[in-house]
Amino acid sequence: NAGVTQTPKFRILKIGQSMTLQCTQDMNHNYMYWYRQDPGMGLKLIYYSVGAGITDKGEVPNGYNVSRSTTEDFPLRLELAAPSQTSVYFCASSTTEGYTFGSGTRLTVV
Amino acid sequence: KQEVTQIPAALSVPEGENLVLNCSFTDSAIYNLQWFRQDPGKGLTSLLLIQSSQREQTSGRLNASLDKSSGRSTLYIAASQPGDSATYLCAVPFGNEKLTFGTGTRLTIIP
Repeated sequence: NAGVTQTPKFRILKIGQSMTLQCTQDMNHNYMYWYRQDPGMGLKLIYYSVGAGITDKGEVPNGYNVSRSTTEDFPLRLELAAPSQTSVYFCASSTTEGYTFGSGTRLTVV
Repeated sequence: KQEVTQIPAALSVPEGENLVLNCSFTDSAIYNLQWFRQDPGKGLTSLLLIQSSQREQTSGRLNASLDKSSGRSTLYIAASQPGDSATYLCAVPFGNEKLTFGTGTRLTIIP
């Protein structure tokens, strides 16, 4: 099983550019999440989804958008990149048995 | 609002020693608590999940305990090895399985 796959692993964006961080899981999990991790900080929830067609905001949603057209995919969209969005982004999925995380996308906005 | 604290932020111990990592949370109305491991530049790996009805969970040299009434959990690592060096994060759920994370304890095992 691949688990949770994130692409790309690294990306440098210029201020004002847009991009989509891809996330796909092959475990048929209904719950999926996007977190960001800043240096020396814990993970903060950006958006989450409890199933296809359903998304909701987390703690730090400003500047981001998501969609969930299928159970497998949960892309995160940055429309106008800002330096404050420089971070490591983690996608995850879960069941009552626990969480599975992707390996992360390291994003730098310059 | 749930807050999760992990102290110390960093810990160095000689190889072979037993050690305890601490996690505290402010809202005791949780239904589980998870411990994760994060290696530098990597994602998170789930180590142990303790349901609220349990007091302990064990996996190999790892033992996690949960005391909801006091808002505390500990992760015990026996006979530490250099390969245990990593950051250890605890997390508790808030509504629909969303997690609140602590800031982690960075563990270094000295050979």
